[in-house]
Amino acid sequence: QSALTQPASVSGSPGQSTTISCTGTSSDVGSFNLVSWYQQHPGKAPKLMISEVTHRPSGVSNRFSGSKSANTAFLTISGLQTEDEADYYCSSYATGSTWVFGGGTRLTVL
Amino acid sequence: EVQLLESGGGLVQPGGSLRLSCAASGFTFSTFAMTWVRQAPGKGLEWVSGISKRSDGITDYADVVKGRFTISRDNSANKVYLQMDSLRAEDTAVYYCAKALYGATPFYYGVDVWGQGTTVTVSS
Repeated sequence: QSALTQPASVSGSPGQSTTISCTGTSSDVGSFNLVSWYQQHPGKAPKLMISEVTHRPSGVSNRFSGSKSANTAFLTISGLQTEDEADYYCSSYATGSTWVFGGGTRLTVL
Repeated sequence: EVQLLESGGGLVQPGGSLRLSCAASGFTFSTFAMTWVRQAPGKGLEWVSGISKRSDGITDYADVVKGRFTISRDNSANKVYLQMDSLRAEDTAVYYCAKALYGATPFYYGVDVWGQGTTVTVSS
């Protein structure tokens, strides 16, 4: 059950767009459309931002979008706002009825 | 309001046991799969275990806890539990319970409600 690979940090200026990648394998991201993304502010519980690669739950800003290509999933945040500054984690179902997370990406809004 | 409230964390010696509880309210508990996710100090999220919606439901475990942790649920009490035995220092973390996004689907489709977490510290 290897963790998914995310960049440790990304940054962007207010109003810009940024994309966070999440690389897995053919045993997880590449074979299942079951990638989710979570936002976590310091000291808080995670919040679901995207499920099933592209689905945005009710109440989540349409500035957040998800996509996937081969073994890599992406979270794109457009129109960056200061409140977007947080840690972001991807997750995926993996063969063998397991669930794996990425190592997390710290987003800094400069 | 949909809510999850974890309890049962604390300080335990290596080799010891703890039982975490998660009380659910504001939704039909018996129709949703549930899961436990932990976060070690300063580290990322790590999936621990999950259980399907039935009280005798299908259970899954991360390899690192398999054989030591047991997940269960009581749909009449709207609670999910995590029995943790043979605890190790590396089990030290905040433990969150979380609710599956959709009824009748496994938790790995996404989880949309999280508790505030309960802290487990394994140390002598």
